[in-house]
Amino acid sequence: KNEVEQSPQNLTAQEGEFITINCSYSVGISALHWLQQHPGGGIVSLFMLSSGKKKHGRLIATINIQEKHSSLHITASHPRDSAVYICAVRSYLTGGTSYGKLTFGQGTILTVHP
Amino acid sequence: DTGVSQNPRHKITKRGQNVTFRCDPISEHNRLYWYRQTLGQGPEFLTYFQNEAQLEKSRLLSDRFSAERPKGSFSTLEIQRTEQGDSAMYLCASSLETGGEQYFGPGTRLTVT
Repeated sequence: KNEVEQSPQNLTAQEGEFITINCSYSVGISALHWLQQHPGGGIVSLFMLSSGKKKHGRLIATINIQEKHSSLHITASHPRDSAVYICAVRSYLTGGTSYGKLTFGQGTILTVHP
Repeated sequence: DTGVSQNPRHKITKRGQNVTFRCDPISEHNRLYWYRQTLGQGPEFLTYFQNEAQLEKSRLLSDRFSAERPKGSFSTLEIQRTEQGDSAMYLCASSLETGGEQYFGPGTRLTVT
């Protein structure tokens, strides 16, 4: 079992729909990142969170530390949101230190049709 | 500074050849990370530098792989005697501090024929 699991792996939506992508992890973490990757490879960081909820425009990210679960929501989806969305966690080393190494989920391919 | 840059963007090489990639992080960032991403998968951690010191190497980084960051600024990743299984996107990221947000470069796509 991977340390970071995302669901669904593929998601197709119509423009305007509310979208949710889920991420579950099995290790203790110091932070969780949501990343966006467009065709061609470039990765953009959307959120970094360690508790609660963050909002940026139409994007909302939540995390439940006790349940080891995070969700990324997109409201009023648009075709330009089509991309791969990746969840990544920063875990602790033995002894409680954390140097920033990220462990990634496999990504969710989102396609939004007009 | 416009962000993390990587060169080349694409590299096609024949099996057995050596290749070297370069990453230029954001100038004030002292943490630098290399990741590898194969098709349809999320990235995997390869190695990490704090300034010029290489502090962690993944088991994925076989003895054919070597990374350096000689002056604590740019970094190079060299693959010797390339194999077809090395074909992947090689991503570099940098951050200002250990717990900080990582900024990714555009990646170098390696194809080994």
